Amino acid sequence: KNQVEQSPQSLIILEGKNCTLQCNYTVSPFSNLRWYKQDTGRGPVSLTIMTFSENTKSNGRYTATLDADTKQSSLHITASQLSDSASYICVVSEGDMRFGAGTRLTVKP
Amino acid sequence: DGGITQSPKYLFRKEGQNVTLSCEQNLNHDAMYWYRQDPGQGLRLIYYSQIVNDFQKGDIAEGYSVSREKKESFPLTVTSAQKNPTAFYLCASSMGTTLYNEQFFGPGTRLTVL
Repeated sequence: KNQVEQSPQSLIILEGKNCTLQCNYTVSPFSNLRWYKQDTGRGPVSLTIMTFSENTKSNGRYTATLDADTKQSSLHITASQLSDSASYICVVSEGDMRFGAGTRLTVKP
Repeated sequence: DGGITQSPKYLFRKEGQNVTLSCEQNLNHDAMYWYRQDPGQGLRLIYYSQIVNDFQKGDIAEGYSVSREKKESFPLTVTSAQKNPTAFYLCASSMGTTLYNEQFFGPGTRLTVL
């Protein structure tokens, strides 16, 4: 069983709308949690990183939250743009990095 | 431009052949990594290297080999022993190997076995 579970697997929204992606993990002990954006056919690019003591981190229209007690994180995208269409990957570090399978987001005009 | 490059972008291989994927970085990073990405799964670590002339097996090293003769280069060979090599391969590098070091990824190589 994967130690990092992401939901939904895929999501379609209209341009300008907001959305929230979820990440649940069982990795322990926990060091940090990252969200990456991966465009189709490209390598992932880091969006945010949070340690266990942080519960929110923003990067422009992207805001990540972390609840270390419930082992849940979310990535909120505000005022979506067509360029936000990509896969979003949650990665939890506990010595090794454990990757979620990603959420495929499609933003339509 | 500083960065991490992979070549080729697409690679086709016949069954039974070995093939080598290139990964180069000019970020002066000490650590380099190879991952495999399959649809519906998270990235899985194949091999990593923390220093020149040293490397360690990751979670799925069987059927793969690597070398680290130069700091800038970390080529991956997919051997004929790899049962299901068709996948997207990602190389990454980081300044160090502590838990807070960010990994920077290359653009990937898509390998298809015919």
